[in-house]
Amino acid sequence: DAGVTQSPTHLIKTRGQQVTLRCSPKSGHDTVSWYQQALGQGPQFIFQYYEEEERQRGNFPDRFSGHQFPNYSSELNVNALLLGDSALYLCASSLGQSLGSYEQYFGPGTRLTVT
Amino acid sequence: DQQVKQNSPSLSVQEGRISILNCDYTNSMFDYFLWYKKYPAEGPTFLISISSIKDKNEDGRFTVFLNKSAKHLSLHIVPSQPGDSAVYFCAASDGGSQGNLIFGKGTKLSVKP
Repeated sequence: DAGVTQSPTHLIKTRGQQVTLRCSPKSGHDTVSWYQQALGQGPQFIFQYYEEEERQRGNFPDRFSGHQFPNYSSELNVNALLLGDSALYLCASSLGQSLGSYEQYFGPGTRLTVT
Repeated sequence: DQQVKQNSPSLSVQEGRISILNCDYTNSMFDYFLWYKKYPAEGPTFLISISSIKDKNEDGRFTVFLNKSAKHLSLHIVPSQPGDSAVYFCAASDGGSQGNLIFGKGTKLSVKP
């Protein structure tokens, strides 16, 4: 049973550029959440996708956007990169809230470095 | 303002002894709590969870205790093993936020052989 997968594992970008990160959820899961983890901090919620719609959003600017595809995979896009966007980006999958499951299962993350 | 706090950045325990990791929260609307373990270069791994209607949940060597009046929860690992050495994150959710997990900053556990 494949767990959550993310690509790429590492990425180096320049300030002002745009980046796209990808995530495939655990088999059977239909909900994808994205988190940003800065060094020495806990993961911080960016947004969650369910049924191809953004269901909830954390305190992140509009430069952060996402998409969910019919096969439940998801993308995170960040425009106009800033140095402060350097972090580990984690994708987590779960079952829809209607099934009462709060557990989210994380992928290995994408390490983004902005220079 | 941090809603989930793990005030101990690190903890060192001898193999075979009990490890106790603590977590405090401020939002009384939280109704579900989770613990995750994270090794370097890996994503967080779900360990154990507890609903606010319970005060204890046990899974093998891992037990989570919840004290709602004190807004405090703890994770007990007995007996501790060197492979338990990792960063442990406490997370909380309120049902209305559809699964947005709010994490503490983590506690690094070192289990010495």
